[in-house]
Amino acid sequence: DQQVKQNSPSLSVQEGRISILNCDYTNSMFDYFLWYKKYPAEGPTFLISISSIKDKNEDGRFTVFLNKSAKHLSLHIVPSQPGDSAVYFCAASPNQGGKLIFGQGTELSVKP
Amino acid sequence: KAGVTQTPRYLIKTRGQQVTLSCSPISGHRSVSWYQQTPGQGLQFLFEYFSETQRNKGNFPGRFSGRQFSNSRSEMNVSTLELGDSALYLCASSLAGTGSNEKLFFGSGTQLSVL
Repeated sequence: DQQVKQNSPSLSVQEGRISILNCDYTNSMFDYFLWYKKYPAEGPTFLISISSIKDKNEDGRFTVFLNKSAKHLSLHIVPSQPGDSAVYFCAASPNQGGKLIFGQGTELSVKP
Repeated sequence: KAGVTQTPRYLIKTRGQQVTLSCSPISGHRSVSWYQQTPGQGLQFLFEYFSETQRNKGNFPGRFSGRQFSNSRSEMNVSTLELGDSALYLCASSLAGTGSNEKLFFGSGTQLSVL
């Protein structure tokens, strides 16, 4: 039972354009969502998060949008840079804390 | 402040053997979680330890076990290895792991190959 789903395994974008990565979840008990970025041979690193009481959170070039009614969140990267090429994982946390549930990941490739 | 340290970085084992992986969390972090990463499956939660007690457990067979020591360091053990256990095993630490807005800090992982 995949509670957090990233349906696009890969995404290719031109440098300078917008990258949009999507994530869907099924459990309405999730109230905190995070995005992690992972380079090969390294562990995932925290990128940005959003609480369920918000619908948008911005940090520099990165913005996360949350649509609770659709149980959908997205990560926007503007403008995309070649150094953004990595695997991006969406994760969700239940409102009582505990384990993070991760999606399958989306591999982003930003071409110069 | 040192990050999460996992040893060894790479391991090659044969079917039927057992393996022990080690994780040292960030100083002051008391929660340690373990995840398995395989292509197409993302990060699958194995278990979480806090103050030497297993607090959460994922849907993995009993061949996968772990423990945490009084200094918060953790070990994960896999017995009777199978080919499907080949994966990147990631350890993550957090302060207490109880708040829904706590971030996890990951180590670089141990790449296990079972032949």
